Amino acid sequence: NAGVTQTPKFQVLKTGQSMTLQCAQDMNHNSMYWYRQDPGMGLRLIYYSASEGTTDKGEVPNGYNVSRLNKREFSLRLESAAPSQTSVYFCASSEASSGSYEQYFGPGTRLTVT
Amino acid sequence: RKEVEQDPGPFNVPEGATVAFNCTYSNSASQSFFWYRQDCRKEPKLLMSVYSSGNEDGRFTAQLNRASQYISLLIRDSKLSDSATYLCVVNIGNYGQNFVFGPGTRLSVLP
Repeated sequence: NAGVTQTPKFQVLKTGQSMTLQCAQDMNHNSMYWYRQDPGMGLRLIYYSASEGTTDKGEVPNGYNVSRLNKREFSLRLESAAPSQTSVYFCASSEASSGSYEQYFGPGTRLTVT
Repeated sequence: RKEVEQDPGPFNVPEGATVAFNCTYSNSASQSFFWYRQDCRKEPKLLMSVYSSGNEDGRFTAQLNRASQYISLLIRDSKLSDSATYLCVVNIGNYGQNFVFGPGTRLSVLP
């Protein structure tokens, strides 16, 4: 099993450009998440999807949109990138019904906005 | 006050040492607790869940004190391979959707 995969691994954008970060999981998990990680701040939740067809805002949703395309895929879109969105983005999935809530993370996307 | 705070680190310890990390959380409604490990430029991975009764996994022991809103992680007989950043994670939701991550404590185990 691949677990959680993310594309691309690296990206450089100019201010104002748009892009979509892709995430897919093959563990049949219901819940998926997008986080950003900045130095000294820990991971912060951008959006999450408790199940297929639902999405909710996390701590830092401004400037982002998400789509839960199906149970496997959860994409994150930056409509107009800003330098403040330079960060490492992690997608994660979990199966809350198992009771463990363990989150499995993808390898991350390193995004630089100039 | 941040929701989850950790020892700022970094901790530099010799191989074989015992090291303890502390974490405090502010939301008394927090329901589940975890320690994750993150290697440099890699994704976080679950190290262990933390139960009210305390739990041990080999050289690692986790403790939870709900009254003081405090979590700890003890690593005995440190190995070079333990070098990483340790993230304290608190879940304040009912369905696993409200994970709050601490900023992490970096550990370097020196030969």
